[in-house]
Amino acid sequence: QSVLTQPPSASGTPGQRVTISCSGSSSNIGRNPVNWYQQLPGTAPKLLIFSNNQRPSGVPDRFSGSKSGTSASLAISGLQSEDEATYYCASWDDSLNGGGVFGEGTMLTVL
Amino acid sequence: EVQLVESGGGLVQPGRSLRLSCAASGLTFEDYAMHWVRQAPGRGLEWVSGIDWNSGGVAYADSVKGRVIISRDNARKSVYLQMNSVRAEDTALYYCAKQLQGSTIGYYFGMDVWGQGTTVIVSS
Repeated sequence: QSVLTQPPSASGTPGQRVTISCSGSSSNIGRNPVNWYQQLPGTAPKLLIFSNNQRPSGVPDRFSGSKSGTSASLAISGLQSEDEATYYCASWDDSLNGGGVFGEGTMLTVL
Repeated sequence: EVQLVESGGGLVQPGRSLRLSCAASGLTFEDYAMHWVRQAPGRGLEWVSGIDWNSGGVAYADSVKGRVIISRDNARKSVYLQMNSVRAEDTALYYCAKQLQGSTIGYYFGMDVWGQGTTVIVSS
């Protein structure tokens, strides 16, 4: 069971806006930045959002991130078929046995 | 172009050892912390280990603590993962990844460059 909790699935139609949630605790999201990754089938993960709401160069502004307290969310607006992928949140955990932590991933289906 | 290339995976018997390598190019390697992340077949991402730019700080997931050692050679632009006493549950695709910000592991955990991974299969 992952330290960060995400819904296993999400869906939307083209053009729609969808959000994916990520819930953590005071030892991870509550004190450290959240990052989001997109993984297409058979490929390595791609960094979508870093430091809660920053987009790396080349990532469309349709993707946005936010954080409040011990939770974070990824929003995708103007949904496109190529957005169909699995999305992971990640953060650093400062607890005694801490380290990097990922959510279990949310599989996004574009209907 | 920044590139990471992993190697060293393969079929290994339970209890044996193997060493994964990750060669970097196109970057000032010593400026960045590095990580290993794995993905078991059909499963999600699992962080395995991370190392500071100068090897001064390292961290391990509980699932591998005491069995793996991360190291790096900045002159060779490489990071390594020595895996000992491997178990069936270590079977996974192992990715090497570069930390986007900061030269030490911890707060900044975003990883912007990933290799294509090397597959480890633990089976008798």
